[in-house]
Amino acid sequence: GAVVSQHPSRVICKSGTSVKIECRSLDFQATTMFWYRQFPKQSLMLMATSNEGSKATYEQGVEKDKFLINHASLTLSTLTVTSAHPEDSSFYICSAKTGADTEAFFGQGTRLTVV
Amino acid sequence: GQQLNQSPQSMFIQEGEDVSMNCTSSSIFNTWLWYKQEPGEGPVLLIALYKAGELTSNGRLTAQFGITRKDSFLNISASIPSDVGIYFCAGPHANSGYALNFGKGTSLLVTP
Repeated sequence: GAVVSQHPSRVICKSGTSVKIECRSLDFQATTMFWYRQFPKQSLMLMATSNEGSKATYEQGVEKDKFLINHASLTLSTLTVTSAHPEDSSFYICSAKTGADTEAFFGQGTRLTVV
Repeated sequence: GQQLNQSPQSMFIQEGEDVSMNCTSSSIFNTWLWYKQEPGEGPVLLIALYKAGELTSNGRLTAQFGITRKDSFLNISASIPSDVGIYFCAGPHANSGYALNFGKGTSLLVTP
C-alpha cells in the first residue's frame, strides 16, 4: 500500500518555541492531507484538512495561528506548532489521500512533548 | 456533530478466544472503517465497508456494515498475543467529507 512518512517521530521542545512536523507521501501524490491530534488514551481528533496549493480548513476550536499548516506540494504537508505550551503535548498524526474515492493512509505519528 | 460510540472500552482475554466489538453512530454512514493502532504508531486500516449489510473478512478478522447504516461490528477469531492494540471504528467526518471521525477505541489485551 501507499506509504506516508512523518518526521520527526518524537520531539521535545521548550515552552514558547515552535516545532515543525513534516508529513510526506512517499510513493503517491496526495491532493488532500489531514492532521489529527491524539491525547493519551483518547481517540484521534481532526484538526485540519489541507489541499495542495490552498489554505487549510481548520476544525472548530483549533487555532489557525497556532497550528500553521502548509501544503505546498503534492507530497509534503507541514504542521508548525507555534509558541508551544505544555498543553500542546500530544501525538500528532497525518493522513493523505490521492483523491475522493480512495482510502486515506496514515503516517506513524509524531510525539510532541513541550517542557 | 456525529457521535461514534464504541464498545467495549477495553477487553482482557486469553489467547485463542474470540473477540467482538461494535460501534454505533448517531447518524447514517456510507462507509465504515476499522483500524488498529499499536503504541506509538499511526492507525492501520484493517477492513473497509462500503455497503449496508456488507460482511467482509481479512484473515481472522470479520466486520459487518449494519443494515441501518448506523452500526458496525468487528470480530476477531482465535486471538493471538499480537492482536494487542487499540481498535478504532471510523466513518466519514461530517465537516470534512474525506477526513475521518473516529470512535473512542477498544483496547485489547491478550494473555498467552
